[in-house]
Amino acid sequence: GAGVSQSPRYKVTKRGQDVALRCDPISGHVSLYWYRQALGQGPEFLTYFNYEAQQDKSGLPNDRFSAERPEGSISTLTIQRTEQRDSAMYRCASSFGKNNEQFFGPGTRLTVL
Amino acid sequence: AQSVTQLGSHVSVSEGALVLLRCNYSSSVPPYLFWYVQYPNQGLQLLLKYTTGATLVKGINGFEAEFKKSETSFHLTKPSAHMSDAAEYFCAVSDSGSGNTGKLIFGQGTTLQVKP
Repeated sequence: GAGVSQSPRYKVTKRGQDVALRCDPISGHVSLYWYRQALGQGPEFLTYFNYEAQQDKSGLPNDRFSAERPEGSISTLTIQRTEQRDSAMYRCASSFGKNNEQFFGPGTRLTVL
Repeated sequence: AQSVTQLGSHVSVSEGALVLLRCNYSSSVPPYLFWYVQYPNQGLQLLLKYTTGATLVKGINGFEAEFKKSETSFHLTKPSAHMSDAAEYFCAVSDSGSGNTGKLIFGQGTTLQVKP
């Protein structure tokens, strides 16, 4: 594809439900990042993959959050037992390598009721 | 630990006027510095970046920024604002160390309004 794609673009869920957010990076990009952006704030780092290896998950706020990238391409961010405080824009970015330009997707707007 | 402070959450300028968006950073290692722009309902787009070398960096759409180590600043400027520059701007820093992951630490953002 031409750019990073994310799905769904909007997700409304009830408190306590699990959600899975998908990121499809630019073909050939080995580095993949997840960020979370609250309203009126800058993006906040969540986790980083180099190919399929999750090399940094220091930004995941608690054990309800997990991410995977099993084949080194598409990645899924999963939030279990969602809470209202999880409501935010979740952004994915990919790059050729860790010190190359990161290209951002349009984001998934998650609303937890 | 690294951090970024953007001074002024909202900046308003007249069309044709100078744009100045301020960014100060904190880093224990030589930083890589970035400015991103976000238009409504779109992803973040890189405007410019500083890694090493020349401290005055030119980016897209006529923007430039100067890395000043002594002031720990990386302010973004444009000589003449255009209506299409209205957007949200984010300054970011990443670690240049050998064990880095490239993760970006963002400031809170500055919304630029351009008045006709």
